[in-house]
Amino acid sequence: AVWMTQSPSSFSASVGDRVNINCRAGQFVSHYLAWYQQRPGRAPKLLVFGASTLQSGVPSRFGGSGSGTNFTLTIDHLQSEDFATYYCQQYYTYPPTFGQGTRVEVK
Amino acid sequence: QLPLQESGPGLVRPSETLSLTCTVSDGSISSSSFYWGWIRQAPGEKLEWIGTLFFGGSTYFNPSLKSRLSMSVDTSKKQLSLTLRSVTASDTAVYYCARLMYDASGYNWPEIWGQGTAVTVSS
Repeated sequence: AVWMTQSPSSFSASVGDRVNINCRAGQFVSHYLAWYQQRPGRAPKLLVFGASTLQSGVPSRFGGSGSGTNFTLTIDHLQSEDFATYYCQQYYTYPPTFGQGTRVEVK
Repeated sequence: QLPLQESGPGLVRPSETLSLTCTVSDGSISSSSFYWGWIRQAPGEKLEWIGTLFFGGSTYFNPSLKSRLSMSVDTSKKQLSLTLRSVTASDTAVYYCARLMYDASGYNWPEIWGQGTAVTVSS
């Protein structure tokens, strides 16, 4: 299985900040990478697929980039509702695998 | 009404069989536009892919669970089902069902997730 590593595991930020969350795949996954947001007690929500394609209805302050093994989720102008845990997932090879999550907390 | 809603027993004894259902509130369970998946997350662990149901009934199971796993769909009831046999404490997790999108090459990813149902394996 492809090992996915996210960094950092958690960090603190303020409303209005620009934040980057990194995801590294243990082997080549092309652009078959998705990002999800999960708030406590809620279902994970798809933000980005295909490494950089924004899911319909997701605010444009979210953006994804990267290919191959290195990927980044960027949130411009962090909003209060963005404090959550974010996961990356590769779907290039079976089984699909996830990163361990990055928790974005209020500074 | 949530698009996907999992239901299950909450508590299962070791060595017994875990049965979960996922009710799909709209008509998408009959659509060829989607696949369906089950994913779980044990306490303090990463999300783990359990298996995929493709349109037409074929399946993919995670090799780590394959020998104990069954998955099916009942379109008349708008339900997905998961059965995991001979459970142990390591099967304690929140279990999610998900509707999967797929591209022209068949690569697929979760588009919508259920809220999840917590399962504890304990005597």
